[in-house]
Amino acid sequence: NAGVTQTPKFQVLKTGQSMTLQCAQDMNHEYMSWYRQDPGMGLRLIHYSVGAGITDQGEVPNGYNVSRSTTEDFPLRLLSAAPSQTSVYFCASSRGVFTEAFFGQGTRLTVV
Amino acid sequence: AQSVAQPEDQVNVAEGNPLTVKCTYSVSGNPYLFWYVQYPNRGLQFLLKYITGDNLVKGSYGFEAEFNKSQTSFHLKKPSALVSDSALYFCAVRDKESGAGSYQLTFGKGTKLSVIP
Repeated sequence: NAGVTQTPKFQVLKTGQSMTLQCAQDMNHEYMSWYRQDPGMGLRLIHYSVGAGITDQGEVPNGYNVSRSTTEDFPLRLLSAAPSQTSVYFCASSRGVFTEAFFGQGTRLTVV
Repeated sequence: AQSVAQPEDQVNVAEGNPLTVKCTYSVSGNPYLFWYVQYPNRGLQFLLKYITGDNLVKGSYGFEAEFNKSQTSFHLKKPSALVSDSALYFCAVRDKESGAGSYQLTFGKGTKLSVIP
């Protein structure tokens, strides 16, 4: 039972480069979300999706794009990386709005 | 708007003693409340949740939490701490009135629990 799988685990980017963080879940969950975790700031919601084809912005969406073409996958795209996007990124999925979220292992991103 | 406060950045407790990690919340309607734990270099793991019903909620690994509506609190507790409980703990809230189309789950900043042998 894989749960929520994030790739890659570590990534170093140069300022201005683009990349996609992958997230896949095998639990047939409708709800998926991306968070970033920074020291002393907890987890902040970047984007979320309530089903295939439906996405919405969270608290800190600037500089990030998402799409949800299938129930299983929810990739996060950085179009032009900035040092301020250095963080640990977590993808999560849940069955419904009142059920617990399952988290991936995280992607540690460094932008130099 | 919804928010969560974890007033203590760090809590230290001796092994075998009871532990409490504090959480207060603010929502315009009624809350869904969650506790998660994060071990080093790992993702968050679900501990317990309050949706409705009994104010005392029991969860994984012997943890429990008490929902107090008048004090808008949801403190995490355990009767006897273990060294293996040392981790980062997050409280999270969602407003029940947000509707199914909105999935704003707001996390606190986290509390580092250290259990001293």
